[in-house]
Parts: sequence; C-alpha cells; structure tokens
Amino acid sequence: EAQVTQNPRYLITVTGKKLTVTCSQNMNHEYMSWYRQDPGLGLRQIYYSMNVEVTDKGDVPEGYKVSRKEKRNFPLILESPSPNQTSLYFCASSLYGQGNQPQHFGDGTRLSIL
Amino acid sequence: AQSVTQPDIHITVSEGASLELRCNYSYGATPYLFWYVQSPGQGLQLLLKYFSGDTLVQGIKGFEAEFKRSQSSFNLRKPSVHWSDAAEYFCAVGGSFGNEKLTFGTGTRLTIIP
Repeated sequence: EAQVTQNPRYLITVTGKKLTVTCSQNMNHEYMSWYRQDPGLGLRQIYYSMNVEVTDKGDVPEGYKVSRKEKRNFPLILESPSPNQTSLYFCASSLYGQGNQPQHFGDGTRLSIL
Repeated sequence: AQSVTQPDIHITVSEGASLELRCNYSYGATPYLFWYVQSPGQGLQLLLKYFSGDTLVQGIKGFEAEFKRSQSSFNLRKPSVHWSDAAEYFCAVGGSFGNEKLTFGTGTRLTIIP
C-alpha cells in the first residue's frame, strides 16, 4: 500500500531535549516536505526536499533541521525544542514538486513540548 | 505573493443538505488549485485538483469544484452531505513549475447535524 509513515504519532517531552520525528515514503517520490498545523493558521511549510541531499527552507524553518540521505526518508529534527514548537506536524511527498503535484500526507505527529 | 482565503472558519449543515465551501486565491499566473480533506486523527487526503481545461472538476466522495478565473474562486460543492463528510477542508494554490510554492488556506471545519 502506498503510504507516508510518520513516527511517533504522539510525543510529550520537555524543553531542550533533542527529538527526531521520522518520515518514510514507499512511492519512490523525489519530493518530500514537512508542515506544521496550528489552529487558525492552516498548514505552514517548515522544510522541503526536491531530491536526495537537496533541502531548502520553507516558511517557518527556525528551530528545525532536516536531512535527506535516502530518497525514502526525511526526518525532522528539533535539537532544542521549545514550547512554541508544540504543534501537529505532517510529512508529505509527491512525485516531483509541490505547486503542481498532489501531495501524499502522513497521519501526523502531535508534539507537546512542556 | 500568492495566498488563499477560506472565509468560513466553521460551517454546520444538516445531513442530506447541499454544501458549498468557499475558496478565494491570489496568484499571478494560471493557478494550480487543490482541495484536501482532513478527517479527525488523519492526514490530508486529496479531494480534487484543477490544472487546466474544464472549469468544473469532479473529485472523490461525490465532491466537485468550479474554477472561476474572473472571481479568483475555486469553491467546493456537494449536492447531499453525509455524516462521514464531517472534517476539515483545505484549499491550496500552486503553480505550473515543480518548485512553485504550495500555499494552503486556513481551513473550514464542517459539522454535520442529523
């Protein structure tokens, strides 16, 4: 089954404790991205990757890191999480790009930073 | 800069009634337009898309949307809603190039009453 898998689905942690949210897709997609969803703000893009070893900032990259060492994986790293990063996070992938391609989304990761 | 406005934060309709969700966009060229649905606890799922051609597009789950260039609108419609349609709906605008930005609206939450 074609899917985007995120782990963990839920996480409660404390300020400053490094965490990684994993994202994996099995559709051989070149493009992957991370969004955060906050009430009243919709989805805002954090980082995206057009292909392996190619990443770029989205609209709200501060406090986040990403890497794309393999085509299927695109982990999101919070090196020193803060309470304002409490949010619902989505990973997405598509064949080639963002603006002209339907995106396939994971089921989301709800992060709470205390 | 491109933008999407979904003027209705929350809409309540009776089961079996018709539905129209509004979406207005701002984009300098021919837009690529999408509607996504987010059911509780799940990621976003593509309902339909418009790239070119017929301005009335059909999607999954009985939804359709009409592109009106003169009004910069891409409203989503369904003739008769079902209780399972209760969800959050997002409109998004992109463009023809792969690295064009995809911008989401802030979403409309749909409640269905029996």
